[in-house]
Amino acid sequence: EPEVTQTPSHQVTQMGQEVILRCVPISNHLYFYWYRQILGQKVEFLVSFYNNEISEKSEIFDDQFSVERPDGSNFTLKIRSTKLEDSAMYFCASSAELNYGYTFGSGTRLTVV
Amino acid sequence: ELKVEQNPLFLSMQEGKNYTIYCNYSTTSDRLYWYRQDPGKSLESLFVLLSNGAVKQEGRLMASLDTKARLSTLHITAAVHDLSATYFCAVADGNQFYFGTGTSLTVIP
Repeated sequence: EPEVTQTPSHQVTQMGQEVILRCVPISNHLYFYWYRQILGQKVEFLVSFYNNEISEKSEIFDDQFSVERPDGSNFTLKIRSTKLEDSAMYFCASSAELNYGYTFGSGTRLTVV
Repeated sequence: ELKVEQNPLFLSMQEGKNYTIYCNYSTTSDRLYWYRQDPGKSLESLFVLLSNGAVKQEGRLMASLDTKARLSTLHITAAVHDLSATYFCAVADGNQFYFGTGTSLTVIP
């Protein structure tokens, strides 16, 4: 069964450093998303991406965040200057069509120290 | 902002028993999804409900959607230990999902 692949599985970074989280969505999917889940809390929407541009973003997705699809397969989330409160599990997801459920990746656990 | 509430937040039940998890949401939507999450793992898609009155069943789990009441239920029949996990409902609004707070289910042998 096709999978959404995320790397790394765990990243530890110092406050103020830049991090890039990587995702390889399912190959024929057109919609891409980033969500995050702070430990023990609910899953929160960050951003959706379609046709090479951001289609929606939440209040969490401020100027410190950016997304890119640098080639035909990767989808990245960059946090420019990490803060302690950015520590969370970050999930990438993709879907073939808007009404379908997402397929989530296995997540990247980001720890900011 | 669309609000999604689940109850209960925590559920401890004995094997063989039945129970229902409820998901209420605040605005009109006809797309609702149920996910399962094991500790430290990703979200596994369980059900996609796309219309009023939709009912779907998979094994011991059955999900339904009432868009007029803005309510979805996830019914567990004759629970087994393998069903222990956190269950999330998510409501679609445009291009994004709003997740509920999750229901942590523990099935006791």
